[in-house]
Amino acid sequence: DAGVTQSPTHLIKTRGQQVTLRCSPKSGHDTVSWYQQALGQGPQFIFQYYEEEERQRGNFPDRFSGHQFPNYSSELNVNALLLGDSALYLCASSVYNEQFFGPGTRLTVL
Amino acid sequence: SQELEQSPQSLIVQEGKNLTINCTSSKTLYGLYWYKQKYGEGLIFLMMLQKGGEEKSHEKITAKLDEKKQQSSLHITASQPSHAGIYLCGADKGGTSYGKLTFGQGTILTVHP
Repeated sequence: DAGVTQSPTHLIKTRGQQVTLRCSPKSGHDTVSWYQQALGQGPQFIFQYYEEEERQRGNFPDRFSGHQFPNYSSELNVNALLLGDSALYLCASSVYNEQFFGPGTRLTVL
Repeated sequence: SQELEQSPQSLIVQEGKNLTINCTSSKTLYGLYWYKQKYGEGLIFLMMLQKGGEEKSHEKITAKLDEKKQQSSLHITASQPSHAGIYLCGADKGGTSYGKLTFGQGTILTVHP
């Protein structure tokens, strides 16, 4: 079992650009959540997908959007990047009371 | 103040010493998760507590959720350098927020050989 996988590992973008991050959940997990972790902080919840629909959303602007595919994999899209979007983006997959995280994608916005 | 407070913020111990990290919530919890993170990497699941008074152990790490379900402690016995990292507690309030975790700031643990 590969666990939760994310791609790419690192990404460098400039302000105003758009970015897409990808996540494959752990086998058997049907729910995917995305978190943003700034340096020195705990992760902040962005949104959660279940059955291809956004089920919950944290306090993030509409520039952050997502998608879940029939195979439960998910994408996080961020438009009009700001310097403050630089962070580690973590994907977590879950079923029942287990929530496992992937290794993250480090996004740097210049 | 933070919804979920961890203490201490950082901890430096000598190898072989015991230590405790605390996590206090301002609200009653549905569930409490403990994770370990190496700098810049993903979170490693340690354990999840749900019932008041519940206690779980994995190797030398024990976590407990108090009866009122608003505080949890993580205890490491006979610490080793491999225990070093950032420990994060994550709260699940359940209900319409089920599965949405709110995290504390983390506790940075350093273990000197």
